[in-house]
Order: sequence, then C-alpha cells, then structure tokens
Amino acid sequence: DAKTTQPTSMDCAEGRAANLPCNHSTISGNEYVYWYRQIHSQGPQYIIHGLKNNETNEMASLIITEDRKSSTLILPHATLRDTAVYYCIVRVEERGATNKLIFGTGTLLAVQP
Amino acid sequence: KAGVTQTPRYLIKTRGQQVTLSCSPISGHRSVSWYQQTPGQGLQFLFEYFSETQRNKGNFPGRFSGRQFSNSRSEMNVSTLELGDSALYLCASSVYRGEETQYFGPGTRLLVL
Repeated sequence: DAKTTQPTSMDCAEGRAANLPCNHSTISGNEYVYWYRQIHSQGPQYIIHGLKNNETNEMASLIITEDRKSSTLILPHATLRDTAVYYCIVRVEERGATNKLIFGTGTLLAVQP
Repeated sequence: KAGVTQTPRYLIKTRGQQVTLSCSPISGHRSVSWYQQTPGQGLQFLFEYFSETQRNKGNFPGRFSGRQFSNSRSEMNVSTLELGDSALYLCASSVYRGEETQYFGPGTRLLVL
C-alpha cells in the first residue's frame, strides 16, 4: 500500500500558484519524498525530490514540514499544460535498495483558463 | 541525452496470444523497472532488473516475465494473454538501484481482444 495520501483532485487558475499537499505520516528517516506527474496516457515525468530541506528546480518547489510528516509541491505559475495527475511517493534512497515505487492514486490537478 | 524508449508504442493482441515488449534505458543506466497501469488498479510494480538479474518482483502471475541484456536493454513477456492484461506498460530506468532518480518511458499501450 502507498505510504502517502493526497487529495483526489484540485483546481487552479492559470497563472496562479498550484499548491499540492501530500501526507506521509509514517515516513522513515531514510525515505525521500518524490514527486512525479503524468499527463494523460503518457509516462510519469519526474518533477522533484527531497529528504528534509526545501528544494527548488526549474519546474517546482518542494516544501517539507520539519517533522517530515507532510509536504507540498508548488508550481509557481500554473499553465494549462500542467494539467495532470501528480503523484507523491516516498522511497528509501540508498545504493542497493529496491527501485520499486509504490504509487497511490495521486491528485488530478486541473488548471482552468 | 535520449530518454527511455519503449517499443512498440501500441499493440493489439487476442486472448491466448503472447506478447513481448521492449525497453531501452537512458544511456549509462543499468537498472530497469517495469510497471503496469490500468484504470482499476493504477500503477503497479511488475519487476526490476539490474546487471541482467531480476532483483525484485511484484505480485503478478507467472505469465509475466522479463529479462535484461548485457547492454541494459530489457524485455518483458506476457504469455497466454487475458482481457485483463489490457494496460499501459511502463518502464523506468536509473543509473543504479536505490540511490538514483528513475525516469520513465512513454509506455506501450496493449489492447487484448
């Protein structure tokens, strides 16, 4: 079973920031938080990941709470092309560990014009 | 750098037939994982390969098998196809197991009639 819970769906106005929450209350100390998104019928696209510090790249920002029990993915200026299912996943990241990813149901983000 | 490629992209088979899907990882990546995505079950892990050895297997019947070649390319095979095998089959690659971000291919859409 997935170790994360996410809202089923969210709406966001084009040009505004999209804030996607994720709960992972049972996360272990050596588990990272990963975010992927999947645009309809395409392969999941990697967005960002982090352990405990906030992270930012050209696509998004990841804010992880101090207790690491939840996180928020922020798309600063959502566009219509950001409409997708967003998956929050936790995984152990150490050499030799399994690459198995356990996907939940994700959040369908609908960006409205 | 080219991404993960999967062939064929679309496939139609009939019940009882077998099918082989191919995945070419990103150059330099040695780990390949396979996933099945259906509307009812979502994204589910099939198996992962590293250095030509299966390292982990999901909860799928023995009709699902795979292999990895010395150049890291991977194939998965489904024998005696059933209607329920209709799905999007995705592969993901990373440099090593456990400590690297995985990148997904576009998937192979299999329809079983």
